[in-house]
Amino acid sequence: TQLLEQSPQFLSIQEGENLTVYCNSSSVFSSLQWYRQEPGEGPVLLVTVVTGGEVKKLKRLTFQFGDARKDSSLHITAAQPGDTGLYLCAGAEGSQGNLIFGKGTKLSVKP
Amino acid sequence: DAGITQSPRHKVTETGTPVTLRCHQTENHRYMYWYRQDPGHGLRLIHYSYGVKDTDKGEVSDGYSVSRSKTEDFLLTLESATSSQTSVYFCAISGTGLRGYTQYFGPGTRLTVL
Repeated sequence: TQLLEQSPQFLSIQEGENLTVYCNSSSVFSSLQWYRQEPGEGPVLLVTVVTGGEVKKLKRLTFQFGDARKDSSLHITAAQPGDTGLYLCAGAEGSQGNLIFGKGTKLSVKP
Repeated sequence: DAGITQSPRHKVTETGTPVTLRCHQTENHRYMYWYRQDPGHGLRLIHYSYGVKDTDKGEVSDGYSVSRSKTEDFLLTLESATSSQTSVYFCAISGTGLRGYTQYFGPGTRLTVL
């Protein structure tokens, strides 16, 4: 069974700080997704990365897929209170593309 | 936003009663999934469907059954609910394509089994 380890589990920072969330596995994934979830809602897709070494930017968020497609990182520059939420990484496995989820990083950005 | 609805959004039931949760999509996507989300465990796959009447088990399928009689609806049934099935249940959908089976999630159903 493939596992995805996310770190840190919790992160509390001040507005304007930078942060990085990591998603690591010993297994290779065909693709990796990052989601953000707010309380009482379903996860919302932020990005999908497919190619090893791929870097994608979404405003202040930078996503990187490791060269070996086993790990990924999410970097947020100048965090804002609106970035507060649960960040989930998920790797796609198998021919059906089922997702394996990490347990998430709960981010709190204080004004 | 992907057109996914879940019903009911909240439900309280008693141990031993049957419960059915419904997921409805308007996207005509082939794949549909049921997950449960619990503190400390994250999102875990219960069952999934890869077409009408085609379903398979996920990581935590014991005590759950599913049915998909038409493309747009995927039902999750707890035959005899237990307190360990208290959770938030999410439905997700995905099409096939080049971008790695990205999944889109519904708003969730909060189920409490007393």
